[in-house]
Amino acid sequence: DAGVTQSPTHLIKTRGQQVTLRCSPKSGHDTVSWYQQALGQGPQFIFQYYEEEERQRGNFPDRFSGHQFPNYSSELNVNALLLGDSALYLCASSPTGAAFFGQGTRLTVV
Amino acid sequence: AQKITQTQPGMFVQEKEAVTLDCTYDTSDPSYGLFWYKQPSSGEMIFLIYQGSYDQQNATEGRYSLNFQKARKSANLVISASQLGDSAMYFCAMREIMDSSYKLIFGSGTRLLVRP
Repeated sequence: DAGVTQSPTHLIKTRGQQVTLRCSPKSGHDTVSWYQQALGQGPQFIFQYYEEEERQRGNFPDRFSGHQFPNYSSELNVNALLLGDSALYLCASSPTGAAFFGQGTRLTVV
Repeated sequence: AQKITQTQPGMFVQEKEAVTLDCTYDTSDPSYGLFWYKQPSSGEMIFLIYQGSYDQQNATEGRYSLNFQKARKSANLVISASQLGDSAMYFCAMREIMDSSYKLIFGSGTRLLVRP
């Protein structure tokens, strides 16, 4: 049983560019959440998707958007990248209760 | 607003000894859940243990146990018989429920180093 998988594992982008990160949830999990973890900090909640709808959103600007597909996989899109968007982006899936995380995508904006 | 506090930026422990990682929380909700995650240098957040606010007994999972003191709002993680592979960042998190969904609120983490 595959766990949560994210792609790519590492990414380097230039300021102003756009990026798309992908997440496949654990089998049977229908809820996907995205978190941003800046260096030396705990993860911060970006948003959560359920039944292809954004169900809850954290304190992130509209440059951060997402999507969930019928097979429950999800994408995180970030437009107009800033240097401060450099972070580890973690995807978590859950049926209820505990969230299970992927290995993350490390994004570097230069 | 809910908040998680981890006051130990770094901890050392000798291999085979036990170590306690501190976590305090703040919430006005009567129903909540507390989690501990391990994050190795690879980046993946590994779920370790969960404690529900109404659970009568402290949670245990193998070498991990959660010392849950509700009145003091603390949920400390105890790792027994430390191993070199336990060296990692450890995060305490609380589940915040809003409408029909929830999110996790994390502390700032504790870096544990196990000495041989």
